[in-house]
Amino acid sequence: NAGVTQTPKFQVLKTGQSMTLQCAQDMNHEYMSWYRQDPGMGLRLIHYSVGAGITDQGEVPNGYNVSRSTTEDFPLRLLSAAPSQTSVYFCASSYSIARTEAFFGQGTRLTVV
Amino acid sequence: GENVEQHPSTLSVQEGDSAVIKCTYSDSASNYFPWYKQELGKGPQLIIDIRSNVGEKKDQRIAVTLNKTAKHFSLHITETQPEDSAVYFCAPRGFQKLVFGTGTRLLVSP
Repeated sequence: NAGVTQTPKFQVLKTGQSMTLQCAQDMNHEYMSWYRQDPGMGLRLIHYSVGAGITDQGEVPNGYNVSRSTTEDFPLRLLSAAPSQTSVYFCASSYSIARTEAFFGQGTRLTVV
Repeated sequence: GENVEQHPSTLSVQEGDSAVIKCTYSDSASNYFPWYKQELGKGPQLIIDIRSNVGEKKDQRIAVTLNKTAKHFSLHITETQPEDSAVYFCAPRGFQKLVFGTGTRLLVSP
């Protein structure tokens, strides 16, 4: 099984550019979420989804959009990139919102110049 | 979940020593208590978990203990090895979004 796949692994953007970070899982998981991890810091929740068609905001949602049109995919869109969005982004999925193990992708390292 | 704190934020031990990391949480509805390990350049991975009807669980050199009354649970690593060096996260969970603790960087020196 592929598990959780994130693309790209590395990306450099110019300030003001937009892009989409892709996340796909093949485990038929209902719950998916996006996190950012800054150097020396923990995982901060950006957005999450409890199923296709349902999304909600996490701790740091500003500057990011998400959608969940299928169970498998949960893309994260940066609308107008800013240097403050330089970070490592992780996508995670779990079987449900409750009491189950989370599986993570390998991360996307994003640099905004 | 909700407000989740870990202590200490950094822990340095000598190989063979024991390490203990504590996680405190505020949401009394939490009933699943996992610990994740994040190695350099990788995403976090589950290493051990416990559910609210159990007070302690052991898996070889690692164990988790739960005090639900006091709203905290701890990760115990015995006979530490250099490969245990990583960042550890707790993520107590009920029926809500997945929020991680602040993280503990464990450094095991040979």
